Amino acid sequence: DQQVKQNSPSLSVQEGRISILNCDYTNSMFDYFLWYKKYPAEGPTFLISISSIKDKNEDGRFTVFLNKSAKHLSLHIVPSQPGDSAVYFCAALRNTGNQFYFGTGTSLTVIP
Amino acid sequence: EAGVAQSPRYKIIEKRQSVAFWCNPISGHATLYWYQQILGQGPKLLIQFQNNGVVDDSQLPKDRFSAERLKGVDSTLKIQPAKLEDSAVYLCASSPAGGPNQYFGPGTRLLVL
Repeated sequence: DQQVKQNSPSLSVQEGRISILNCDYTNSMFDYFLWYKKYPAEGPTFLISISSIKDKNEDGRFTVFLNKSAKHLSLHIVPSQPGDSAVYFCAALRNTGNQFYFGTGTSLTVIP
Repeated sequence: EAGVAQSPRYKIIEKRQSVAFWCNPISGHATLYWYQQILGQGPKLLIQFQNNGVVDDSQLPKDRFSAERLKGVDSTLKIQPAKLEDSAVYLCASSPAGGPNQYFGPGTRLLVL
């Protein structure tokens, strides 16, 4: 039962342009949503999060948007840089139990 | 602040053999997680500890997998006997009490032949 889905396995973007990574979920009881970035041979590292009571959170070049009615969130990276090339995982969390549900990841390639 | 440490980084074994992985979480983090990440998939939670107690092990294949965190600090995950489908990266993560974020170690890449 995949409660968090990332339907695009890969994305290529020119340097300087906007990267938009999408994530859909099925459980309306999730309290937090997080984005993790993963380089090869390393563990995922935290990027940005958003509480379910908000619809936007911004941190530098990274902005996460949450649309609860559509059960959809997106990560915007502006401007994209070659160092942003990595696999991005969306994760959802319920406060009760602290269990993460991860999507399958989107591999982002930023072309110089 | 030191991150989450895991060892070994890589392990190759034959099916039906046993293997153990070790994790040392960030100092002071009460919660520890073990995840299995199969190629092309997102991490899947195997077991969650709060201090030295198990909070959730509903997705742990208990006939072959076991995990312990005896003193509420470091943890070991064991597979006995291993199957081909156990080939994956095993990630350990930890989080402080009350925080939503989890900090991941580099993972142990297991190949079962």
